[in-house]
Amino acid sequence: LAKTTQPISMDSYEGQEVNITCSHNNIATNDYITWYQQFPSQGPRFIIQGYKTKVTNEVASLFIPADRKSSTLSLPRVSLSDTAVYYCLVGDRAAGNKLTFGGGTRVLVKP
Amino acid sequence: NAGVTQTPKFQVLKTGQSMTLQCAQDMNHNSMYWYRQDPGMGLRLIYYSASEGTTDKGEVPNGYNVSRLNKREFSLRLESAAPSQTSVYFCASRRGGGDGGYTFGSGTRLTVV
Repeated sequence: LAKTTQPISMDSYEGQEVNITCSHNNIATNDYITWYQQFPSQGPRFIIQGYKTKVTNEVASLFIPADRKSSTLSLPRVSLSDTAVYYCLVGDRAAGNKLTFGGGTRVLVKP
Repeated sequence: NAGVTQTPKFQVLKTGQSMTLQCAQDMNHNSMYWYRQDPGMGLRLIYYSASEGTTDKGEVPNGYNVSRLNKREFSLRLESAAPSQTSVYFCASRRGGGDGGYTFGSGTRLTVV
């Protein structure tokens, strides 16, 4: 399983864009990159997934360079409710696959 | 559509007691997982079931057993609870293929005294 490295924490202010970069140097050909969000006392929630280039949904954007050794989750115009822990996971999508969670990035959005 | 339901939500055990954590999903997902999360830490995989009838160990299986009762239900049993098993336990399910996203339950907060 590809190991991921993320910053431990980040602070931001309401209305700013937050970018979290995840390193995954050993990513395999079949691996996808998936980001999850976790609020206190809740289970993680799927945010976005991508394989290469850029993916965007109503919540976030995911930028993946050509070598796929890193990825950046971008949260546009964050609000206080975006304060959470964000996890970057790498793995294939085959049935039965298990994913390993790292320590995640604790994002604090300030007023 | 309830998603992934875990019971109980809270539990206090004495050292040496046993208990079973229940998990059920109504999304017809093939794979199910049990994770534990210690305070301020990420999630660690205990056991998983790739499909009905199969189970496999994750990173931290010692002290636990699991049963994939049917496609919907995946239980986690602590035979002899220890204080080191104090944690929040999350069950998750996944369809397989597609976007591969996991759906998590709301967790069981277990304290072993």
